[in-house]
Amino acid sequence: ETGVTQSPTHLIKTRGQQVTLRCSSQSGHNTVSWYQQALGQGPQFIFQYYREEENGRGNFPPRFSGLQFPNYSSELNVNALELDDSALYLCASSSPGQAYEQYFGPGTRLTVT
Amino acid sequence: QKEVEQDPGPLSVPEGAIVSLNCTYSNSAFQYFMWYRQYSRKGPELLMYTYSSGNKEDGRFTAQVDKSSKYISLFIRDSQPSDSATYLCAMSDPGGFKTIFGAGTRLFVKA
Repeated sequence: ETGVTQSPTHLIKTRGQQVTLRCSSQSGHNTVSWYQQALGQGPQFIFQYYREEENGRGNFPPRFSGLQFPNYSSELNVNALELDDSALYLCASSSPGQAYEQYFGPGTRLTVT
Repeated sequence: QKEVEQDPGPLSVPEGAIVSLNCTYSNSAFQYFMWYRQYSRKGPELLMYTYSSGNKEDGRFTAQVDKSSKYISLFIRDSQPSDSATYLCAMSDPGGFKTIFGAGTRLFVKA
């Protein structure tokens, strides 16, 4: 069974730039959720994708957007990067309606300068 | 007021101690209650989840949920240095679409 993978591991961007982060879900899981984890904080829910459509969204502005592909992999796109976007971005996969049993990837560490 | 409150610690205990970690929450709609462990520079790892009120045991770990008090706990028996990590409580609504995490408690188990 393949676990959740994310790429890249680390990324450094400049304020105002755009970034794309990628996630491959665990085999058998067709639901992907994205989280932002600032240093010393718990993960904050960004949004969830199921069947290639956004299935729920947290308190994040529209410049945070995503995609899910037919193979259930997913992308998180962030436009107009701000310094406060510096964080660990986590992807988690699960079966539909089972957010209580999510499996996380190792995360992408984004630094905005 | 945050939906989920968790003391960030740090909590330092000697090896072999019983550890008690706790969270409170405000949203009575939460039905699923989870505990995750996160090592430094890693993603969270699901330890266990509980549906509604009650206890659940898995090896050295016991989760308790008291919905009447909106209070959940994780107990770790015979703690080991390898248990040193950040422990995150999390809660999910019945639809399972959204999970809310606590801030995490940093635990140090000294050999």
